[in-house]
Amino acid sequence: NAGVTQTPKFRVLKTGQSMTLLCAQDMNHEYMYWYRQDPGMGLRLIHYSVGEGTTAKGEVPDGYNVSRLKKQNFLLGLESAAPSQTSVYFCASRDRTYNEQFFGPGTRLTVL
Amino acid sequence: AQSVTQLGSHVSVSEGALVLLRCNYSSSVPPYLFWYVQYPNQGLQLLLKYTSAATLVKGINGFEAEFKKSETSFHLTKPSAHMSDAAEYFCAVSGTGANNLFFGTGTRLTVIP
Repeated sequence: NAGVTQTPKFRVLKTGQSMTLLCAQDMNHEYMYWYRQDPGMGLRLIHYSVGEGTTAKGEVPDGYNVSRLKKQNFLLGLESAAPSQTSVYFCASRDRTYNEQFFGPGTRLTVL
Repeated sequence: AQSVTQLGSHVSVSEGALVLLRCNYSSSVPPYLFWYVQYPNQGLQLLLKYTSAATLVKGINGFEAEFKKSETSFHLTKPSAHMSDAAEYFCAVSGTGANNLFFGTGTRLTVIP
């Protein structure tokens, strides 16, 4: 099993450009999450999903949109990137019953 | 509400010395507690978790943590540090529902040869 994978690993954008980050998991987990990690701030939840077709806002949702069209995939979109969105983005998934989240390797995004 | 405080953003220890990383939590419900490790340029890997069974929890790579309800603490320890332990460590507490993990700000561990 690959676990949780993220595409791409690195990306550089110019202010105002858009992009989509893809997260895929092969563990049949119901719940999926997008976090951003910034120095000195730990991980902060952007959006999450409790199942196919459902999404919800986390702690820092502004400037991001998400979609969960298939159970195994969770997409994070930036419609108009800003330098404040320069960060490392992590996807995670978990089973409905157990609290342990499994993390992907991350995407390092730089917005110039 | 749930929250986690990690004391010390940076900790340095000599190789072979005791590792102690501190975590205090706040939770309005009986907590599940976690320690994750992040090696450079990698994702987060679960070290250990407390789920209301034994208060002393053993994890991977020789780490363990003790749940102390009276002190609302879940400190991470390892008797003898190895160079390979150099990483960032995150404590997390679970809340209720799906939006359920709250992370501390992390502690970067440096091991001095």
